[in-house]
Amino acid sequence: SQQGEEDPQALSIQEGENATMNCSYKTSINNLQWYRQNSGRGLVHLILIRSNEREKHSGRLRVTLDTSKKSSSLLITASRAADTASYFCATDEGSYIPTFGRGTSLIVHP
Amino acid sequence: EAQVTQNPRYLITVTGKKLTVTCSQNMNHEYMSWYRQDPGLGLRQIYYSMNVEVTDKGDVPEGYKVSRKEKRNFPLILESPSPNQTSLYFCASSFVTTRYNEQFFGPGTRLTVL
Repeated sequence: SQQGEEDPQALSIQEGENATMNCSYKTSINNLQWYRQNSGRGLVHLILIRSNEREKHSGRLRVTLDTSKKSSSLLITASRAADTASYFCATDEGSYIPTFGRGTSLIVHP
Repeated sequence: EAQVTQNPRYLITVTGKKLTVTCSQNMNHEYMSWYRQDPGLGLRQIYYSMNVEVTDKGDVPEGYKVSRKEKRNFPLILESPSPNQTSLYFCASSFVTTRYNEQFFGPGTRLTVL
């Protein structure tokens, strides 16, 4: 069953702007992951942040985790048209296997 | 190359005609799973398997069957497809551990049932 829920459902920005999307979850987690999906393609893993970490970076991606608020955010800096995709968070709810939210659809206009 | 493969990638069929979508991974993952993706509904899990001969229902198992006779393969079977099973299907696999449970996804199978 779905645990993480992304917000907003859709986001439209101009190239060069930053994009921020959020994920909220309900129970304790071991880690939280973010995935990207280009239209009609399989999901691709972007970044994993463990429950004892607060922030993680990977290139233009910055992920934060606040376990007290049960929320995470994904920041894409200096966005490009090629960043247009859907972004999903996945939480493992204390088990081994992540479950996915409904995703945020990001459109970056050139 | 580490990958999850699915076949076929596209399939158009008619109501009631049994079909199988194959999924194979070459990463020695214990865990394999099937999802369907429909507009506005995100990814919904159909079935999953924690290891060989161990399968369990996900959120939307009705109308589907799976088997896990070998570690690398996890076929999805639709015994009598119906139009409401028209969807985009993904297979995924991962290790069963809290430290390294990144899921690897196949490229997807777009199924249309007429």
